[in-house]
Amino acid sequence: AQSVTQPDIHITVSEGASLELRCNYSYGATPYLFWYVQSPGQGLQLLLKYFSGDTLVQGIKGFEAEFKRSQSSFNLRKPSVHWSDAAEYFCAVANTGGFKTIFGAGTRLFVKA
Amino acid sequence: DAGVTQSPTHLIKTRGQQVTLRCSPKSGHDTVSWYQQALGQGPQFIFQYYEEEERQRGNFPDRFSGHQFPNYSSELNVNALLLGDSALYLCASSPRGQGSGANVLTFGAGSRLTVL
Repeated sequence: AQSVTQPDIHITVSEGASLELRCNYSYGATPYLFWYVQSPGQGLQLLLKYFSGDTLVQGIKGFEAEFKRSQSSFNLRKPSVHWSDAAEYFCAVANTGGFKTIFGAGTRLFVKA
Repeated sequence: DAGVTQSPTHLIKTRGQQVTLRCSPKSGHDTVSWYQQALGQGPQFIFQYYEEEERQRGNFPDRFSGHQFPNYSSELNVNALLLGDSALYLCASSPRGQGSGANVLTFGAGSRLTVL
């Protein structure tokens, strides 16, 4: 069965510091992988996606993620965090049929001045 | 171009009542998925509608039902409400086709349901 694990419930980083949010997935075949962001009281917004090809993918707002098949990981990174990045981040995996997307429990990012 | 719109934004019900939530997908999208997001948790897949039929369902009881209309809009119905049904209900739409793009979800802002 598909599953997504986000080991960190919350992370605090200083503004301007680098960020890495961890994500591990379980899926029998090559997965479709996603990162979404949710601001308080809002729906989810797509940051980036991986379907195939280059394992380093670029997204919006300066985010990137790297797919590592050997580690079943899809970690999200940003070189310099801004206060506006404070939000909840969700990693997700979908099957190639596109019928169902499974989300992790999320990582809450706090940014301190 | 309007994105995914959901109504109502907030509602309060009592145990045992029934609720209907509505969703209009993004223009050009024909597939609608519903998710339940309890406080502090990730979204949980309820079901997906395509061509007016339920295509796949998550681990939710039959109290949760849905419908998709010819204009691709959708409703989520929950009967015999329990306290544990209190959550943010998210609707997401995705575009036509069976390729990889069909997996990209566009979410609405959600309907916040409180069951007392």
